[in-house]
Amino acid sequence: GENVEQHPSTLSVQEGDSAVIKCTYSDSASNYFPWYKQELGKRPQLIIDIRSNVGEKKDQRIAVTLNKTAKHFSLHITETQPEDSAVYFCAASIDYKLSFGAGTTVTVRA
Amino acid sequence: NAGVTQTPKFQVLKTGQSMTLQCAQDMNHNSMYWYRQDPGMGLRLIYYSASEGTTDKGEVPNGYNVSRLNKREFSLRLESAAPSQTSVYFCASSEGDRVTEAFFGQGTRLTVV
Repeated sequence: GENVEQHPSTLSVQEGDSAVIKCTYSDSASNYFPWYKQELGKRPQLIIDIRSNVGEKKDQRIAVTLNKTAKHFSLHITETQPEDSAVYFCAASIDYKLSFGAGTTVTVRA
Repeated sequence: NAGVTQTPKFQVLKTGQSMTLQCAQDMNHNSMYWYRQDPGMGLRLIYYSASEGTTDKGEVPNGYNVSRLNKREFSLRLESAAPSQTSVYFCASSEGDRVTEAFFGQGTRLTVV
């Protein structure tokens, strides 16, 4: 089955700096790569996603890049704010089966 | 429009007891999923149902059974609970024609003592 690895497990950044989270996947057939944000005690919610026919996607301060050849994708958050503090999960999908990475706890220091 | 609703929100079981976690969605989604979330391990897929009438094992199916009762409802059953099943359980659904955004329920915090 699909194996998704996510790094780093924790990330502390100064407010206003950028944060980058990286994920790799094992199955080249994966074709959908979402990112979820989970605030403490809440449910995961989608923040951005990308399909295998696209290399990059941006939504305001958030961007995702995909390198199919290397089988890795990354989340970039620019101009971080305190409300960006949360756990972020990457995921990869084959045939309705969505597999998640272990998560990155992001802390934005004021 | 409630989205994905799970019951109960909290549960404490004794080892060996059984229980069923209920999940219902009102978005007319085809696919439904059960995940468990443990510290440092992310969200691990237990079972999923790509469409009404089908179910498939995920990464960690042992000790669990599921039923896709109809298009709206997907239940998860623990036949004989073990302390290793202490976790937060999330149900999710997605459209299913192709994989799209998965919407999650609010989670069930289960403790097995």
